[in-house]
Amino acid sequence: DAKTTQPTSMDCAEGRAANLPCNHSTISGNEYVYWYRQIHSQGPQYIIHGLKNNETNEMASLIITEDRKSSTLILPHATLRDTAVYYCIVRDHGSSNTGKLIFGQGTTLQVKP
Amino acid sequence: EAGVTQFPSHSVIEKGQTVTLRCDPISGHDNLYWYRRVMGKEIKFLLHFVKESKQDESGMPNNRFLAERTGGTYSTLKVQPAELEDSGVYFCASSQRTGGYNSPLHFGNGTRLTVT
Repeated sequence: DAKTTQPTSMDCAEGRAANLPCNHSTISGNEYVYWYRQIHSQGPQYIIHGLKNNETNEMASLIITEDRKSSTLILPHATLRDTAVYYCIVRDHGSSNTGKLIFGQGTTLQVKP
Repeated sequence: EAGVTQFPSHSVIEKGQTVTLRCDPISGHDNLYWYRRVMGKEIKFLLHFVKESKQDESGMPNNRFLAERTGGTYSTLKVQPAELEDSGVYFCASSQRTGGYNSPLHFGNGTRLTVT
């Protein structure tokens, strides 16, 4: 089962920041927080991941709370093309783990003009 | 760099027939994963190869499904005989493994399988 909890859906106005929350209260020390998204008819797309520090790349920013029990994915200037299902996933980086991802229901983000 | 490619993009077969799906991972990626999403459900893990070896096949639903990765390059997933409940989208993903760390998975666009 997925170890994360996300809202089912969210709306965001085009050009505004989209803030997608995720709870992972049972996260363990070896587990990273990953974000993927799935745009209709495409495969899941990697966005960003982090352990405990905040991370930023060309797509998004990831803010992880100090206790690591929750995180927020930030799309700074959402566009209509960002409409997708966003998945927050915890993934074990331990060498004995297969590194597989366990998907939950995700958050459907609708960006509106 | 070419991404993960899957073939065919769509397949429609009758119940009882056989279908083989193919996945070409990103060049140099030792890890190869198969996932699927059946109607209305979440994306579910099927199995994981490291090179040509099956590392984890805990998600394979039953013995009608056979995955192979001869030579550690491309992989095939065969369903024989297909049943109605096998309909869904089958995704393949690949990742690198360096220094004991598995890099992020990169997914293909999937094969949409319809069993009638």
